[in-house]
Amino acid sequence: DQQVKQNSPSLSVQEGRISILNCDYTNSMFDYFLWYKKYPAEGPTFLISISSIKDKNEDGRFTVFLNKSAKHLSLHIVPSQPGDSAVYFCALPNQAGTALIFGKGTTLSVSS
Amino acid sequence: NAGVMQNPRHLVRRRGQEARLRCSPMKGHSHVYWYRQLPEEGLKFMVYLQKENIIDESGMPKERFSAEFPKEGPSILRIQQVVRGDSAAYFCASSRTSVVNTDTQYFGPGTRLTVL
Repeated sequence: DQQVKQNSPSLSVQEGRISILNCDYTNSMFDYFLWYKKYPAEGPTFLISISSIKDKNEDGRFTVFLNKSAKHLSLHIVPSQPGDSAVYFCALPNQAGTALIFGKGTTLSVSS
Repeated sequence: NAGVMQNPRHLVRRRGQEARLRCSPMKGHSHVYWYRQLPEEGLKFMVYLQKENIIDESGMPKERFSAEFPKEGPSILRIQQVVRGDSAAYFCASSRTSVVNTDTQYFGPGTRLTVL
């Protein structure tokens, strides 16, 4: 059974510092992972993805790291900004390749 | 280019009534997904549709819930005889191709269903 775990429900960081959000998974058929960001009363917004041929993918202030042997990925945001305050979801395709499986999310609060 | 559109944004129903949620995918997208988010939970997959076909409904409750994506018009998620436990945010997503091709899913703003 596939599971995606985000064990930290919340994270508080000061503006300008690094935010590190973690995600563990049990197994992945497609070796493709995504991060979504969600503001209150809005739908999730795609942020960044990574496939297993890489162990790192960078897009501006956002970097995702993948450790396949540990079945672990992390999202780094540096420098963190107050506008980054949101819920961050880790996701990966289900075994059938028909949908995404999401973690419960980590609420990031960036204070100025 | 308009994003995924959902309506209504908020829907209040009494127990036993029917709820109809609509989703118009992004232009050029023929793959539609419905997810449900209960309070303090992540999004849970319900159903995956392509035009006129249900591809995977393994996440949808067997009773009272149905979905369609007709040749013309929006995708509809229908909940009959709603109960309080159906209160949740329902999100629709669309993509140009499938998850198998690692295509990105784009989400609508959601419909928040409240059952009194």
